[in-house]
Amino acid sequence: GQQLNQSPQSMFIQEGEDVSMNCTSSSIFNTWLWYKQDPGEGPVLLIALYKAGELTSNGRLTAQFGITRKDSFLNISASIPSDVGIYFCAGQLTSGTYKYIFGTGTRLKVLA
Amino acid sequence: DAGVIQSPRHEVTEMGQEVTLRCKPISGHDYLFWYRQTMMRGLELLIYFNNNVPIDDSGMPEDRFSAKMPNASFSTLKIQPSEPRDSAVYFCASSLALLGGTSFGDGTRLSIL
Repeated sequence: GQQLNQSPQSMFIQEGEDVSMNCTSSSIFNTWLWYKQDPGEGPVLLIALYKAGELTSNGRLTAQFGITRKDSFLNISASIPSDVGIYFCAGQLTSGTYKYIFGTGTRLKVLA
Repeated sequence: DAGVIQSPRHEVTEMGQEVTLRCKPISGHDYLFWYRQTMMRGLELLIYFNNNVPIDDSGMPEDRFSAKMPNASFSTLKIQPSEPRDSAVYFCASSLALLGGTSFGDGTRLSIL
């Protein structure tokens, strides 16, 4: 199946550092979602973006809908150990449908 | 509040056997989704329902897969006969509206020997 290119694939960071990850595609998306998945659990929705250029925050998390509509970015400020997990982006190609394409995931490990 | 409830959490069975995965969505949610997650293919949408009616099943891999939603509080995903390549984590999710936040269950880890 089609997947979004998500980078980096994995990263180790020190507690307190800021984290950036992104998703890119050759296709245009109408909606972007960012999820976090902990081991043995299902993904949890973090942020939803609905318009090109939109910048939305959820606590220490900030995500942006790229102006070209082909990419999205997620930033985590002042990381803490509980930020560990896999982060997924998901893009919706066509309005009115719930068919989202998921990114390949960014595995984040935070060193205390 | 109870989230999306899936059962069983783990299933190990031999190829050729019928497998039934169960899901109870969040009460009041009118959309229900079945996803499959593997290392190779990531998260894939298999099928989704709106008000118990299947809307898009284009992600269902083969005729061996079938899904039903007999009422607003219950859905099943069935694989018959199962094959080793069906091994994956299967997630059920629900949402209140098409653009609303989607709540995922904790998944069923399926292993077909």
